[in-house]
Amino acid sequence: GAVVSQHPSRVICKSGTSVKIECRSLDFQATTMFWYRQFPKQSLMLMATSNEGSKATYEQGVEKDKFLINHASLTLSTLTVTSAHPEDSSFYICSARGRPNEKLFFGSGTQLSVL
Amino acid sequence: KQEVTQIPAALSVPEGENLVLNCSFTDSAIYNLQWFRQDPGKGLTSLLLIQSSQREQTSGRLNASLDKSSGRSTLYIAASQPGDSATYLCAVKTDSWGKFQFGAGTQVVVTP
Repeated sequence: GAVVSQHPSRVICKSGTSVKIECRSLDFQATTMFWYRQFPKQSLMLMATSNEGSKATYEQGVEKDKFLINHASLTLSTLTVTSAHPEDSSFYICSARGRPNEKLFFGSGTQLSVL
Repeated sequence: KQEVTQIPAALSVPEGENLVLNCSFTDSAIYNLQWFRQDPGKGLTSLLLIQSSQREQTSGRLNASLDKSSGRSTLYIAASQPGDSATYLCAVKTDSWGKFQFGAGTQVVVTP
């Protein structure tokens, strides 16, 4: 089946640094990728939708200058958390829309801890 | 705005019992509904996908029903096993691109 690889799985960084998370579709073309954030005991919240070759669309309340998304190819999307702060500590998950069905395939997630 | 609610928030059953997980959504204009499984600190595994025109889907011990008009879906897991312990999420697709609205999940513990 389709596989989405996400890394790193866990990252600890100091406040003020930037962190890049990669999401790759391994055996299919993902024209659309989604980035979610999940705080403890809460549901997944969509942050942004990225389409290959175009700018990402951000959900209301998500700072586009803080969460930089790049989707330069059909198999790779990256999320960069710039100048991370402790309140950015969360579980970030990407997903990719696969063809021909409409299933979403999820990455394994990245636990970000900002000290 | 679409809201997805899952009840109960947590559930503990002895091995062998059947599990019934409920999901409700406020806007019946959905494209499809998916049930996912999430293990601690890990990503999501898609279990079942039900198109808006369908009423149920089955895979092994799993069966999911969809009543779009009433805004409800139910996931049944027959003869539960300790390996079924996880958090189960339902999500509805709200646009043609693939945007999903998730519920907060039901945390399931199956005791041996």
